[in-house]
Amino acid sequence: QVQLVQSGTEVKKPGASVRVSCKTSGYTFTSYYITWVRQAPGQGLEWVGWISAYNGNTEYARKLQDRVTMTTDTSTSTAYMEVRSLRSDDTAVYYCAREAQRGPDYWGQGTLVTVSS
Amino acid sequence: DIQMTQSPSSLSASVGDRVTITCRASQDIGNDLAWFQKRPGKAPKSLIWNVSSLQSGVPSKFSGSRSGTDFTLTISSLQPEDFATYYCLRYNSGPRTFGQGTKVEIK
Repeated sequence: QVQLVQSGTEVKKPGASVRVSCKTSGYTFTSYYITWVRQAPGQGLEWVGWISAYNGNTEYARKLQDRVTMTTDTSTSTAYMEVRSLRSDDTAVYYCAREAQRGPDYWGQGTLVTVSS
Repeated sequence: DIQMTQSPSSLSASVGDRVTITCRASQDIGNDLAWFQKRPGKAPKSLIWNVSSLQSGVPSKFSGSRSGTDFTLTISSLQPEDFATYYCLRYNSGPRTFGQGTKVEIK
C-alpha cells in the first residue's frame, strides 16, 4: 500500500535550517510529484511547493522561494524539504503528499517544526 | 497568482444535515480543483479531485460541482466524523492555492 513516512519533530532556533524527510513506499516514486504543505498553529493549510520525482523540477511558493529547497533521492524513494533562515512564523506542521493527475492523494503523517529561541 | 476565496469560514450543522461549501477562483482554473478534510492532529484527507471525482474510498455523500469559477462541495447527511475543517485547492499547473478553510461544527 502507498505510504509516506516523515521524519520526527524538530526544534530549531531562529536563523537555523531544518530538513524534513518523506520516505515513500508502495508505488513508483518517479511517476509522481511530491507536494509540501504546512499548517501553522491555528491557521489554515498553506502550500509550500512541489518537486517532480521524475526530473527534479521544482516550484515554490513565492513567499518561501528564497529560503526553501526541495530534493529527492530516487535510490531510497525519499523526498526532502529544507527551510533556511528559520523564523518564528515558520513554526508549523509540515506535510508531504504524493501528487499527480488526481492532485495530492496520499499524505505523510506530518512533522512539527518549532522555531524558538 | 490565482486566489481562492472560500465561504463560509465556519458553519454549524446537525447530524443528518446537508451542507454546502463554496470556493471562488479569481480567474478561470478549468477543472483543477480538489477538496480536503482536515481534523485536528491528523493529516489532510483527500476527498475530491477534478471538481467532482471522488478519491478512492471516499463515500458518495461527498460531491463536488462547478459553475464557471465557482466550485461547491456538498456533504449530504452529516455524520459525527464529518465535523472537521474543509479546504479547496487549486492544483495541477502553476502555484497551488488553498482556500481559507471552512470549519463545520456541531450545532
